[in-house]
Amino acid sequence: DSGVTQTPKHLITATGQRVTLRCSPRSGDLSVYWYQQSLDQGLQFLIQYYNGEERAKGNILERFSAQQFPDLHSELNLSSLELGDSALYFCASSVGQYGGAGREQFFGPGTRLTVL
Amino acid sequence: AQSVTQLDSHVSVSEGTPVLLRCNYSSSYSPSLFWYVQHPNKGLQLLLKYTSAATLVKGINGFEAEFKKSETSFHLTKPSAHMSDAAEYFCVVSDPDSNTGKLIFGQGTTLQVKP
Repeated sequence: DSGVTQTPKHLITATGQRVTLRCSPRSGDLSVYWYQQSLDQGLQFLIQYYNGEERAKGNILERFSAQQFPDLHSELNLSSLELGDSALYFCASSVGQYGGAGREQFFGPGTRLTVL
Repeated sequence: AQSVTQLDSHVSVSEGTPVLLRCNYSSSYSPSLFWYVQHPNKGLQLLLKYTSAATLVKGINGFEAEFKKSETSFHLTKPSAHMSDAAEYFCVVSDPDSNTGKLIFGQGTTLQVKP
């Protein structure tokens, strides 16, 4: 158990809908990261928050947004969903805001999103 | 830009035989490298990390990786495979000189262990 929790575990919805994925980081971690894992794109970085502020953006679509709350949990909002958004969405956390030697991230179990 | 290439998408070994999962990296700087493992329907677990303190890195469950700067490689090995090692393995790089902590993942290697 990494200490990172994600809810829900599974989500099935229809095209055009909006969903919210939730993540709670490990105790003491200030950075939260979101990653998307799909068969065609592999594991890709979406966005990073550090202590409530957006820190970095990756290949995140404009239909997607995220935020980190004062208690440090984070939510990833996906709107106008398309079939291609079906994927496993991981949240990870780390203590600091930068990468580097030994600064690993701890991953949650993921939310599997299925768009029908 | 940082990148990693996992040279095999699928590796099959027999139980009790050695495991070799290959990874090459591309980096202009001294890279921060990791191996993560993903068991079926599970999240990602850190196997080991390169911290520049030693080129041979020991991880959990008997796995090791050797950092070779001259070959820009960070291959993962294990002397004797167990059935429980069957999983997806990811070589990962973090850019220590960027202003973010984002990780860049290789495409993954599926390890199959045959009885």
